[in-house]
Amino acid sequence: DAGITQSPRHKVTETGTPVTLRCHQTENHRYMYWYRQDPGHGLRLIHYSYGVKDTDKGEVSDGYSVSRSKTEDFLLTLESATSSQTSVYFCAISRSGGSSYNEQFFGPGTRLTVL
Amino acid sequence: QQQVKQSPQSLIVQKGGISIINCAYENTAFDYFPWYQQFPGKGPALLIAIRPDVSEKKEGRFTISFNKSAKQFSLHIMDSQPGDSATYFCAARGGGGADGLTFGKGTHLIIQP
Repeated sequence: DAGITQSPRHKVTETGTPVTLRCHQTENHRYMYWYRQDPGHGLRLIHYSYGVKDTDKGEVSDGYSVSRSKTEDFLLTLESATSSQTSVYFCAISRSGGSSYNEQFFGPGTRLTVL
Repeated sequence: QQQVKQSPQSLIVQKGGISIINCAYENTAFDYFPWYQQFPGKGPALLIAIRPDVSEKKEGRFTISFNKSAKQFSLHIMDSQPGDSATYFCAARGGGGADGLTFGKGTHLIIQP
């Protein structure tokens, strides 16, 4: 998994509770991404980061926030989880996200269930 | 609005046959087109990728064909093997201002022995 770990790997939580997912990389890559995967939708971009403290929104960012205080860590927070956020969340990294050589490598995923 | 359309949703191929998965896009700003392979319970793994200045790229049994004028690209898996059974996603980069990838909905490929 290209030096990417995600934690936790599985989580069950209740509607309205805050949840933070962590992505950690050992590759020192500049670009990091959060995607969600749902049946029939493929993967959809939530947020991405192009450096420490530099983040931007993706296609499905509503209800999510992110933070990146260190190169190696990218956190995804659900401030108040809803059942529609039940999904598998994948982190990805890229050495050269700002160019057409954007090879992205994915972590193992976190399966989140919101009851 | 789906920016990358992938077909078929599912595909069954006999061992040794050719598997073909197709994708089409509308956004001419896309500048990088990767294919990912995903096994159950795992993250997507980069398989092969192409840029629009190239019409074909081959790596082992996997080939991408790219038709810029038709805005279509496809993945061909030659001599398909049972170990190729997985879900395959096409993707594109560069549309809409975000720096991530836009994915197709995936193709569930089964190779029958």
